[in-house]
Amino acid sequence: QLQLQESGPGLVKPSETLSLTCTVSGGSISSSSYYWGWIRQPPGKGLEWIGSIYYSGSTYYNPSLKSRVTISVDTSKNQFSLKLSSVTAADTAVYYCARAVYDFWSGHYWGQGTLVTVSS
Amino acid sequence: SYELTQPPSVSVSPGQTARITCSGDALPKQYAYWYQQKPGQAPVLVIYKDSERPSGIPERFSGSSSGTTVTLTISGVQAEDEADYYCQSADSSGTGVFGGGTKLTVL
Repeated sequence: QLQLQESGPGLVKPSETLSLTCTVSGGSISSSSYYWGWIRQPPGKGLEWIGSIYYSGSTYYNPSLKSRVTISVDTSKNQFSLKLSSVTAADTAVYYCARAVYDFWSGHYWGQGTLVTVSS
Repeated sequence: SYELTQPPSVSVSPGQTARITCSGDALPKQYAYWYQQKPGQAPVLVIYKDSERPSGIPERFSGSSSGTTVTLTISGVQAEDEADYYCQSADSSGTGVFGGGTKLTVL
């Protein structure tokens, strides 16, 4: 059974870089059938697509975050990662990783999410 | 920037039919997806590619598309269906966009 698990610091200081990893189990991240993505949700608010990656390394980013976002994949560890630089309080959110089957910006299977708070 | 518009709330009695709409100019050209999110939980996909239902999702969930509007229909609503529902699609450049969400209340 496919499982996705986010991990990383729950507290990040303003102006620093947020780094999260999604570990995939029960399936290979190298499958040519899927894309892997990140979505976030500020407390009490709606969802925002951050970006997605194909196992080959091709990336797709939300233009509103593109200048600060890097998504990478490590097929040897069956993981993919998110880096968001120059964070502010507005980046405080629950961050979800997800697998997309058809459109790269969608999410068929989601991780449970991890709350990241930006505060000094 | 591109927007998907959903009603903030929909209320129905148990056993009735709930319809949640999502409007956007690019919907005739891009597929729509629907997610159910209960408090404190991750979203769950309930409809993909406008009208396809993932395995494990009850048959009472269905999706349809007409022009610039897509609709999630829940027939015979049950108390367990009370949740927030989000539509998702993409703009003409392929940037993923979510609607603002609709809170479904089962009276």
